[in-house]
This record gives sequence, structure tokens and C-alpha cells, in this order.
Amino acid sequence: EVQLVQSGAEVKKSGESLKISCKGSGYSFTSYWIGWVRQMPGKGLEWMGIIYPGDSDTKYSPPFQGQVTISADKSISTAYLQWSSLKASDTAMYYCARRSFDTYYMDVWGKGTTVTVSS
Amino acid sequence: QSALTQPASVSGSPGQSITISCTGTSSDVGGYNYVSWYQHHPGKAPKLMIYDVSNRPSGVSNRFSGSKSGNTASLTISGLQAEDEADYYCSSYTSSSTQVFGGGTKLTVL
Repeated sequence: EVQLVQSGAEVKKSGESLKISCKGSGYSFTSYWIGWVRQMPGKGLEWMGIIYPGDSDTKYSPPFQGQVTISADKSISTAYLQWSSLKASDTAMYYCARRSFDTYYMDVWGKGTTVTVSS
Repeated sequence: QSALTQPASVSGSPGQSITISCTGTSSDVGGYNYVSWYQHHPGKAPKLMIYDVSNRPSGVSNRFSGSKSGNTASLTISGLQAEDEADYYCSSYTSSSTQVFGGGTKLTVL
């Protein structure tokens, strides 16, 4: 079964760093992009960025460029989303999702990781 | 890049049809046939319903259909059912090699 398993909920303070993960299984991890999507409380989905684990090619949506870092470790089929200094406004649900190499839609989604940042 | 424009809410009675619009620009929706639609029930993972404007993934009901004209894409749900009540998001590839979502539409089945 193809699945993306995300790391558990996090509660952090402003200024702290954080790295959440998304582990792929049931498919060739290096042949698909992994994207990250934010959903702030009561708001819609926002496309943050995407990485191709095969060669680590990474693209960021302009609002998120410089605010987060997307990375991947293909040896353990895991993608990451990290912050160096969290803000209260980073409080949100974060989803990872798979995208085929030559397509532009997300066909498999993780269940999400809740990040709560207190000031 | 700005979010694609969707109506905040739509509603319909069981058995009826509804259409959700998704308006962008020539740099996203109008420039590529890479519009996708997602159904999102609160607390669950989003689910792909339509890809590449009008294609349905395996397992998605044929009550869901997609189309595009110019800078506006549309999702139509026919024969509304109670379980269709959810939030719906469109998404498009952009000229910046990124993707963008719409603001989301809450579908209420009356």
C-alpha cells in the first residue's frame, strides 16, 4: 500500500527550531516529488514547496522562500520540513503529499502534522 | 502569487448539481491544463478528485467532473449526496514552476 506517514504533533515555543517528517512507503520514493501544504486554523490550503528526493531539486512558493527549509533523505525514504526559529503564526496543520515526476497533482497525502507554537 | 479565486460557499439539495468555479490568470489556470481539485473533510487528509482539468482518478465517482474555459476552471458535482459535504480546493501549476491553491469552497448539502 502506498502511504505517507507523518511525524506526530508538536508543541513548541516561539524562537525554537523544529523539523517534521514524512516517510514514504509502498513506492519508489526517489521517483516522485514530495510537497508540503499548510493549513492555518480556520483557513484554506497553501502550497509551500516541493522536493524531488532523486536529486534534491527543491522549489518554494514565494511566501515560504526563506521561511522554511524542505529536505529529504532518500536512504530512509523521508522528507522533512524545518524551521530555524518558529513564530506563533507558524501554528498550523502541515500535510505532505506525493506528486508524480511529470505531473502537477498530489495523488497521495499524509494525515498531517499539527504544529502549535506559543508565544 | 495570489491564491486562485473560489466562492466561499455553495449549497445544494440531495440529487441536485452544483458547480464550483476557480479563477486564476494566464500565468496559472489559463496557461496550463494542470488544474486539479481536492475534497477535504475536516480532520482528514485531502483527497484528489480531478486532475489535469477533467480527469478522474480511479475510484472517484463519475458524479464529479471538471472543465476549463480561459482563466476559469470548474468542478461540477451531479446527484449531490450527503457525503459530498466538504471543503473543495482547486490547484494549478504556475509559470513560476510552483503550484497554487484556491481559497477553498465549503459545500453544504441541504
